[in-house]
Amino acid sequence: GENVEQHPSTLSVQEGDSAVIKCTYSDSASNYFPWYKQELGKRPQLIIDIRSNVGEKKDQRIAVTLNKTAKHFSLHITETQPEDSAVYFCAASLFKAAGNKLTFGGGTRVLVKP
Amino acid sequence: EAQVTQNPRYLITVTGKKLTVTCSQNMNHEYMSWYRQDPGLGLRQIYYSMNVEVTDKGDVPEGYKVSRKEKRNFPLILESPSPNQTSLYFCASSPHLVGETQYFGPGTRLLVL
Repeated sequence: GENVEQHPSTLSVQEGDSAVIKCTYSDSASNYFPWYKQELGKRPQLIIDIRSNVGEKKDQRIAVTLNKTAKHFSLHITETQPEDSAVYFCAASLFKAAGNKLTFGGGTRVLVKP
Repeated sequence: EAQVTQNPRYLITVTGKKLTVTCSQNMNHEYMSWYRQDPGLGLRQIYYSMNVEVTDKGDVPEGYKVSRKEKRNFPLILESPSPNQTSLYFCASSPHLVGETQYFGPGTRLLVL
């Protein structure tokens, strides 16, 4: 089955700096890669996603890049703000007619210091 | 208001006592899923369902059962809970496939003694 590894497990950045989180996946057939943000005590929320036919996607200060050959994808947060402090999860999934199993990475705790 | 609800939100139980965690969504979503969240392990998918009467195993289905008799409901059943099932559980739904935005429920914190 799919295995997703996420690094680093914790990341501390100064406000205004950039943060980068990297994930690798094992199943070359996976074709959908979402990123979730989870604030303390709250439920995960989708912040951005990318499909395998796209190499990069951007939404304001957040961008995701995908390298299918190397089987890795990354989340980039620019101009970080204190409200970006949270745990971020990457995930990988394979679309198939019968259903979609979603495998998550272990999470990255991001702390943005003012 | 569009939402996913879970009940109970908190539960303390003892080993072997059957329990059910309910999940309901009011958005007419076809896809529903259960996850457990444990420190250092992230979110792991337990079961998912593509539609009524269509369910499939996720990565950690052992010790759990699900049913999807109605589109809006997707209960998680622990027939004989054990301490290693102590965890935070999330239900989620999306319109058709996991490739669309998943809406997560508020979570159920379970402690099995």
